[in-house]
Amino acid sequence: DAKTTQPNSMESNEEEPVHLPCNHSTISGTDYIHWYRQLPSQGPEYVIHGLTSNVNNRMASLAIAEDRKSSTLILHRATLRDAAVYYCILVGSGGYNKLIFGAGTRLAVHP
Amino acid sequence: DTGVSQNPRHKITKRGQNVTFRCDPISEHNRLYWYRQTLGQGPEFLTYFQNEAQLEKSRLLSDRFSAERPKGSFSTLEIQRTEQGDSAMYLCASSYGQGAIRPNEKLFFGSGTQLSVL
Repeated sequence: DAKTTQPNSMESNEEEPVHLPCNHSTISGTDYIHWYRQLPSQGPEYVIHGLTSNVNNRMASLAIAEDRKSSTLILHRATLRDAAVYYCILVGSGGYNKLIFGAGTRLAVHP
Repeated sequence: DTGVSQNPRHKITKRGQNVTFRCDPISEHNRLYWYRQTLGQGPEFLTYFQNEAQLEKSRLLSDRFSAERPKGSFSTLEIQRTEQGDSAMYLCASSYGQGAIRPNEKLFFGSGTQLSVL
């Protein structure tokens, strides 16, 4: 399985930007980088995905390194509702018909 | 569209009892997944259905576990002779697709069933 590495936890203050890193040094050329997040007492929810270029949507931005061995999920202005566990997952060339989750990064947001 | 629905939200049972959970996926979704999540860990894959066919089962799914998806709609996950180690959140997810997950395919998760085995 293509693996990702994320910090166990991070902290942020409300209304400040948050950069959540993910290392995926064994990524293959056709793997997409997906991010999901899991709010307390909820199932995971899709956040964003990308292949090579940086991506933006209403929830977040995804910055992908030029060599694609790492990526960063960017929350431009953290809110208390962004406190969650964030998962970085590789999807694609492995031919997997399921998502494989790691432990993710637990983000705490302080008022 | 109300999303993926799971019932019950919470289940407390005594060791040795059987329990059954239900998942109602998003109506047009043909894929359905069951995951298990213990405290502090990410979700672990249990099993996967494409329509009514169960195409993959994890080694985590012992012979005490059985999942069905009759008619390719809702699914049930049954645990027989529950053990304390079965205490976990059981998550269901659905999506639409064929074969390997497409790069832009998104899974939609329910809120899970929290099982406590006493």
